[in-house]
Amino acid sequence: KQEVTQIPAALSVPEGENLVLNCSFTDSAIYNLQWFRQDPGKGLTSLLLIQSSQREQTSGRLNASLDKSSGRSTLYIAASQPGDSATYLCAVYVYALNFGKGTSLLVTP
Amino acid sequence: EAGVTQFPSHSVIEKGQTVTLRCDPISGHDNLYWYRRVMGKEIKFLLHFVKESKQDESGMPNNRFLAERTGGTYSTLKVQPAELEDSGVYFCASSPWSRSYEQYFGPGTRLTVT
Repeated sequence: KQEVTQIPAALSVPEGENLVLNCSFTDSAIYNLQWFRQDPGKGLTSLLLIQSSQREQTSGRLNASLDKSSGRSTLYIAASQPGDSATYLCAVYVYALNFGKGTSLLVTP
Repeated sequence: EAGVTQFPSHSVIEKGQTVTLRCDPISGHDNLYWYRRVMGKEIKFLLHFVKESKQDESGMPNNRFLAERTGGTYSTLKVQPAELEDSGVYFCASSPWSRSYEQYFGPGTRLTVT
């Protein structure tokens, strides 16, 4: 059974800091890994998708890495802004998405 | 292009009552998924439709839950009778047939059973 763990559960940083969110999964037989963002009362928005054959993906200030053999992924956010405040979810795809509990991020001005 | 929509956004019912949640996927998306997040837990898969057929319903918690997708368009998820532990946020997602991993999520329906 696939289990996805995200650390930390919550994080508060001042604006401008670079930060790293961590995700680990127990079964390396995945098709891909995605990072989502969820704002209160809204659905999930896909930020980055890394195929199982890839090592990383970048979009703007976001960079996600994948080490399938060790079952780990990191989401790096550069120069954080208050608008980045949200819950970030990691999910691995094997026929359906398996989610972690998420990291609640607060970026203070 | 309209996104995935869900109705209602919030429902409060008493234990033993029936509730029906609706999901309208993105037009043309053959895949439709239901997920649920209960308090303090991660989002969990419930079931997957391909058009009107149930592809995988391994995540459905018990037979009090019934999902349908008549005509392969919108889907409903009925809970009958509702129990306290059914409270949570129910998400619907859809994806194109050939890219089942590329799922677009709706805003969710928050269900509170009292």
